[in-house]
Amino acid sequence: EAQVTQNPRYLITVTGKKLTVTCSQNMNHEYMSWYRQDPGLGLRQIYYSMNVEVTDKGDVPEGYKVSRKEKRNFPLILESPSPNQTSLYFCASKLRSSYNSPLHFGNGTRLTVT
Amino acid sequence: AQSVSQHNHHVILSEAASLELGCNYSYGGTVNLFWYVQYPGQHLQLLLKYFSGDPLVKGIKGFEAEFIKSKFSFNLRKPSVQWSDTAEYFCAVNPSDSNYQLIWGAGTKLIIKP
Repeated sequence: EAQVTQNPRYLITVTGKKLTVTCSQNMNHEYMSWYRQDPGLGLRQIYYSMNVEVTDKGDVPEGYKVSRKEKRNFPLILESPSPNQTSLYFCASKLRSSYNSPLHFGNGTRLTVT
Repeated sequence: AQSVSQHNHHVILSEAASLELGCNYSYGGTVNLFWYVQYPGQHLQLLLKYFSGDPLVKGIKGFEAEFIKSKFSFNLRKPSVQWSDTAEYFCAVNPSDSNYQLIWGAGTKLIIKP
């Protein structure tokens, strides 16, 4: 089944403790992206990647890192999480070569930083 | 700066009522337009999209949207809503020169009373 898999679904951590949220897709998509969703703000893009070893900042990259060593994986790293990073995070992917193809989203990761 | 505005953050309707959710964007060039839906506890999924051609596009589950270029609008409509349409709806715009990037509206939470 074609899907974007994020782990974990829920994560509670403390300020300053490094964490990684994994994202993997099995559709051979070139484009991958991370978003955070906050009430009243919709989706805001954190980072995106057009292909392996190519990453770019989105609208709200501060406090986050990403890497794209393989096509299928695009982990999101919070080196020193802070309470303002408490949010719902979504990973998404799409075929880069086609405007007509939609974004495929993962099921989300609800992160709480205390 | 480019932006997408969804007029209502919350909409409450009774079953069988007609629905129209507004979406306006600020960008003067060519755009690709999307509506995504997020059912409670689920990830976002594509409802419909417009790239070119007939400005009235039909999506899944009886939804449709009309692109009015002169008004920079892409409103979502459904003639008769059902309880199962309870969800959050997001409008997203892809400016043609933006390399697959999407600008998201803040979302509209739709609650259908049975």
